[in-house]
Amino acid sequence: LAKTTQPISMDSYEGQEVNITCSHNNIATNDYITWYQQFPSQGPRFIIQGYKTKVTNEVASLFIPADRKSSTLSLPRVSLSDTAVYYCLVGGGYNTNAGKSTFGDGTTLTVKP
Amino acid sequence: NAGVTQTPKFRVLKTGQSMTLLCAQDMNHEYMYWYRQDPGMGLRLIHYSVGEGTTAKGEVPDGYNVSRLKKQNFLLGLESAAPSQTSVYFCASSTGQNNEKLFFGSGTQLSVL
Repeated sequence: LAKTTQPISMDSYEGQEVNITCSHNNIATNDYITWYQQFPSQGPRFIIQGYKTKVTNEVASLFIPADRKSSTLSLPRVSLSDTAVYYCLVGGGYNTNAGKSTFGDGTTLTVKP
Repeated sequence: NAGVTQTPKFRVLKTGQSMTLLCAQDMNHEYMYWYRQDPGMGLRLIHYSVGEGTTAKGEVPDGYNVSRLKKQNFLLGLESAAPSQTSVYFCASSTGQNNEKLFFGSGTQLSVL
């Protein structure tokens, strides 16, 4: 199983940059790293995905070191609406990988005014 | 484009009753998943399907059955509901590629009394 380890919770203030790190020591060669965001009473929503180095989109950046055993989700200038649970997911999909990745308990980010 | 639709949104059962949760997706995705989420915890995979007519067990399959008779639908059944099955159930679908992105429904809140 492609298990991941994240901090349980983090606090931040509006306007700050937030970095959430995920450890995935047993990542396989074909595994991608995907981050999801979940608000209360809603299903998780895709934020960003990467395989190696750095990926950036309109909402976040994802940093992946060369050994790929960890990854860091970076949220620039957070606002109150970024308060949510963030999950790091490794692997999944594609035949024998299907159903093998796990969500874990995620990181609860609380943004304060 | 509705994405992933789950019905019903809420349901209350008595112990021993049966019910079926329906998940429908309109994205022509091959893979579909059923997760449960207990308060303050991450998502745990119940069953999944890698294509029409196929199903497989996830982390916590006991007490549940599934069927994928049509590509767009994935049904989750509880034959004899127990209080331990009180949870929020999420359905997801994906392309099943290595770089899959999971698309989630809005969830079903199930209470078993």
